[in-house]
Amino acid sequence: KQEVTQIPAALSVPEGENLVLNCSFTDSAIYNLQWFRQDPGKGLTSLLLIQSSQREQTSGRLNASLDKSSGRSTLYIAASQPGDSATYLCAVSSGNTPLVFGKGTRLSVIA
Amino acid sequence: DGGITQSPKYLFRKEGQNVTLSCEQNLNHDAMYWYRQDPGQGLRLIYYSQIVNDFQKGDIAEGYSVSREKKESFPLTVTSAQKNPTAFYLCASSEVLGGYTFGSGTRLTVV
Repeated sequence: KQEVTQIPAALSVPEGENLVLNCSFTDSAIYNLQWFRQDPGKGLTSLLLIQSSQREQTSGRLNASLDKSSGRSTLYIAASQPGDSATYLCAVSSGNTPLVFGKGTRLSVIA
Repeated sequence: DGGITQSPKYLFRKEGQNVTLSCEQNLNHDAMYWYRQDPGQGLRLIYYSQIVNDFQKGDIAEGYSVSREKKESFPLTVTSAQKNPTAFYLCASSEVLGGYTFGSGTRLTVV
């Protein structure tokens, strides 16, 4: 059964710092991987979707990489801002099975 | 604008009562999903449907029921058999094997 782990569980950084969030998964036979952002009490907002044939995706200050063989993905956030404070969730899909989520990384960016 | 609408935003259930959470999408997505989120537990899959008039149980289906009579709608009923229903409920939709779009969630509280 697929399991997704996110490290660290919480992270606090000063404004302007570049940072990396980590995601690992146990079954490398994935179809795609998706990164989400969740603000307190809100739904999930999709940030990046990486298909299994891709190595990375970029959107603005965000860059997500995927290494299927090692079962890892990273989300890189450049020049962090207080507005980036949120919980970031990683989720993987294996073929026809629904997304399996990690427990998230709670990020605080201090001004 | 295309998206997913969940209602109500807040819902209160008395002991022994069934309640129904609404989820409607206008994205023309074939697949729809219900997840439950508890503090520190991440998102757990309740039910999903990949086509009208068909649905499958997820990891925590006991005490819940669904229907998929229309492509746009996937209501979730929390029955009296669900002993600990207090949680944040999230509905999502996707093209089969595509990225997921989430609604803004319903917070259910037992009173």
